Amino acid sequence: QQQVKQSPQSLIVQKGGISIINCAYENTAFDYFPWYQQFPGKGPALLIAIRPDVSEKKEGRFTISFNKSAKQFSLHIMDSQPGDSATYFCAATLLKAAGNKLTFGGGTRVLVKP
Amino acid sequence: DARVTQTPRHKVTEMGQEVTMRCQPILGHNTVFWYRQTMMQGLELLAYFRNRAPLDDSGMPKDRFSAEMPDATLATLKIQPSEPRDSAVYFCASGWDRLERLEQYFGPGTRLTVT
Repeated sequence: QQQVKQSPQSLIVQKGGISIINCAYENTAFDYFPWYQQFPGKGPALLIAIRPDVSEKKEGRFTISFNKSAKQFSLHIMDSQPGDSATYFCAATLLKAAGNKLTFGGGTRVLVKP
Repeated sequence: DARVTQTPRHKVTEMGQEVTMRCQPILGHNTVFWYRQTMMQGLELLAYFRNRAPLDDSGMPKDRFSAEMPDATLATLKIQPSEPRDSAVYFCASGWDRLERLEQYFGPGTRLTVT
């Protein structure tokens, strides 16, 4: 019920290409879906987040697409750059729950080739 | 630029030894989280605190792990006795509880190697 499944585990994309990472969740009560970016040797950092009342959110080259009926959401990295090479984690939570916590996906390692 | 700090950054110890990891959350944050990251298991939530009170430590092996917040500026994670399977990167994160979003700021992590 609390799982968040993330795919693919890794992907390689050419500079300028589009990176797409998908996540599926089970708990329909989840109401907040952030994505975190982690560079080697660093802690994860919040990249972008979405609430289920919108189907898409864009910040610069990063876009979250959300499909509530399918219980899926995805991260698109447009015009991928070598500096985007990192591990990306999707997550989900129920904001209204007391002591809310994030349930993370397994992570996707993205390598952008120059 | 406020940041979560963690010490030590690296720790190598022998099996059976006690390990203490420390975290200084960002001033003003009311939640603190401890995570463990491994290649096999990904990011696992070990414990978290809200207003210094422990809310959930169900992800933690109780017999050897303990987490505390002696004051608002310090969170500790202890492993006693340590085992090779505890080798991982341990992250502390702090943030606010908010109805409209959940913000967690991660520290740089403590890389633990138990031989």
